[in-house]
Order: sequence, then structure tokens, then C-alpha cells
Amino acid sequence: LAKTTQPISMDSYEGQEVNITCSHNNIATNDYITWYQQFPSQGPRFIIQGYKTKVTNEVASLFIPADRKSSTLSLPRVSLSDTAVYYCLVAFNQAGTALIFGKGTTLSVSS
Amino acid sequence: EAGVTQFPSHSVIEKGQTVTLRCDPISGHDNLYWYRRVMGKEIKFLLHFVKESKQDESGMPNNRFLAERTGGTYSTLKVQPAELEDSGVYFCASSQTGYYYGYTFGSGTRLTVV
Repeated sequence: LAKTTQPISMDSYEGQEVNITCSHNNIATNDYITWYQQFPSQGPRFIIQGYKTKVTNEVASLFIPADRKSSTLSLPRVSLSDTAVYYCLVAFNQAGTALIFGKGTTLSVSS
Repeated sequence: EAGVTQFPSHSVIEKGQTVTLRCDPISGHDNLYWYRRVMGKEIKFLLHFVKESKQDESGMPNNRFLAERTGGTYSTLKVQPAELEDSGVYFCASSQTGYYYGYTFGSGTRLTVV
């Protein structure tokens, strides 16, 4: 399974757009890129998943360049409640795939 | 729909004792997974059930850990005897069969072995 690299921490202020970039140089053809969010005392929560180009949902956008060796999670206009750890994972999107979590990016949003 | 439920939410036991964690997946989800995070480390995969069958238990640390899923519904993870290094947060997740859009995780059980 591909290894991912992302910043350990990021700081932001309310109302700003936050972009978290993840590197996955060894991504395989069948791999998808998935981002999870985790609040303290909770389990990881699925945010968004994509294979290539751009994916957008009500929570975030995911930008994936053509070579797929990196991806960027974009959170528009963050609020204090977006303070959490964000994990970038790369894996085949079929049930049974064991997810490999890295250290994630701790996002701290201040007022 | 109800999410993935885990209990207890916290458990403190002494070294050498036995603890059983329980996970109730989302109804209809045939796939159930156990993960854990020990202090200061990343979340690690433990095992995967499809209904009542173990499909992948490559992440189970040793034979002190026993997972079951009777009837393909809820699952239990027993640690016997517990050691200090077993302390951590144990997460359960579930998913439907086939292509998925993320697993649904429970809130976890925080296990402290003293």
C-alpha cells in the first residue's frame, strides 16, 4: 500500500480557506485517495474520496493532478469546529481493504 | 440510521486481567474491522470480518487477542491476559460489500491497563 506524507500540523483562522497537501509518490493504478477527519475522543470520519481531477462535496474539495502523486484537501472558510486531525489515505476502494493511517495533519483553527 | 456503536467507551483494568470490547456495526454491513491506536502511534489495522468469517487477521498483535463475530452481527475483541502495552484506543468500523466510499468508524474504546 502506498505511503503518504503530509504536514504534521497547520494553523489557520476562522473564515480562511485551508489547503492540506498529501504526497503519495507510489500510488498504484487502482488506488483511490481518501481523506478522513478525526476529532478528539471520536473515530475517524470519512470526508471525501477521489481518483483523479477534482471532487467536491458539501464539506470539502479534493484536487488531484494528472500524475496522481499528490492530492490537496481544500476546506473552504474553516470554523473553530474544523479543528481536528486530517488523514490522507491511499488504497483500493473495495470493502476489505486494510487502511494504513499515517500521523495525519493536526489543523488548529483560531478565532 | 444508527452508526457504529462501541462499548464500553472506557475501560481500566489491571495487568493480567481479561477485557472484552464490543462493537455493533451498522445494520446490513457485512464487513467489520477492528483498528487500534496505542499511545503516540498511528492507527493500525487489526482484522477484518465478512459476516462471521475472519478474512484478514494479519494485524492481530499476538494470541492474547481473540476476535469473534457470532452470527455475523456484533463483534467482540477479547484481550486475555492484558498487558501494559495493550493500552490504547480500539476502533471498530463497518462497511457494505463491494466498492465503498469510506468506512464508518465507531467512537472507540479507550483501554487502560495498569
